[in-house]
Amino acid sequence: KAGVTQTPRYLIKTRGQQVTLSCSPISGHRSVSWYQQTPGQGLQFLFEYFSETQRNKGNFPGRFSGRQFSNSRSEMNVSTLELGDSALYLCASSLGGSGLANTIYFGEGSWLTVV
Amino acid sequence: AQSVTQLDSHVSVSEGTPVLLRCNYSSSYSPSLFWYVQHPNKGLQLLLKYTSAATLVKGINGFEAEFKKSETSFHLTKPSAHMSDAAEYFCVVSDEDTDKLIFGTGTRLQVFP
Repeated sequence: KAGVTQTPRYLIKTRGQQVTLSCSPISGHRSVSWYQQTPGQGLQFLFEYFSETQRNKGNFPGRFSGRQFSNSRSEMNVSTLELGDSALYLCASSLGGSGLANTIYFGEGSWLTVV
Repeated sequence: AQSVTQLDSHVSVSEGTPVLLRCNYSSSYSPSLFWYVQHPNKGLQLLLKYTSAATLVKGINGFEAEFKKSETSFHLTKPSAHMSDAAEYFCVVSDEDTDKLIFGTGTRLQVFP
């Protein structure tokens, strides 16, 4: 079965622009989470969506937003890009339950460079 | 609040020698703990997970980890390192209230021939 798929894999944007990243979870998974990975801050949780509703949110400014569609696919959007937004953005999916059902599987990420 | 501390930022071993990557956790309850590996320019791959079923957890690629409550540790081991094990390893705890993952700072494993 296909894993978590993220598109695009690489992109370059200019400061002030906005960007949309897409994530298709593993079939049957209803929870999609987004993480930002940078050399300085490590891996940080952005938000989680479950059945089209944001269930958890990390400590990121409102420029970072997301949504989930009825087929569980998710998008995240970053508006008014700043140089510090350059990062690897990782999407992860899970069944959405707790314990063993909560095993989270990651995609390969979208590399965003802001110039 | 839960947290994990990876005690070494870098570990270097020779191929064929044992690997030990250390992780201590902090949690009020019996935690869900994971080890993930990230190869260069790749996403994260689950190596193994602990969810209180057994204290010794076997994962993929010959890795295993032992949950020791008395020491609040969840160290990752492998008897014999392979060149392909060179990667970044993350110890992770699942937040008991939100289920979100809390990552350690990572340990970069180098394997020399």
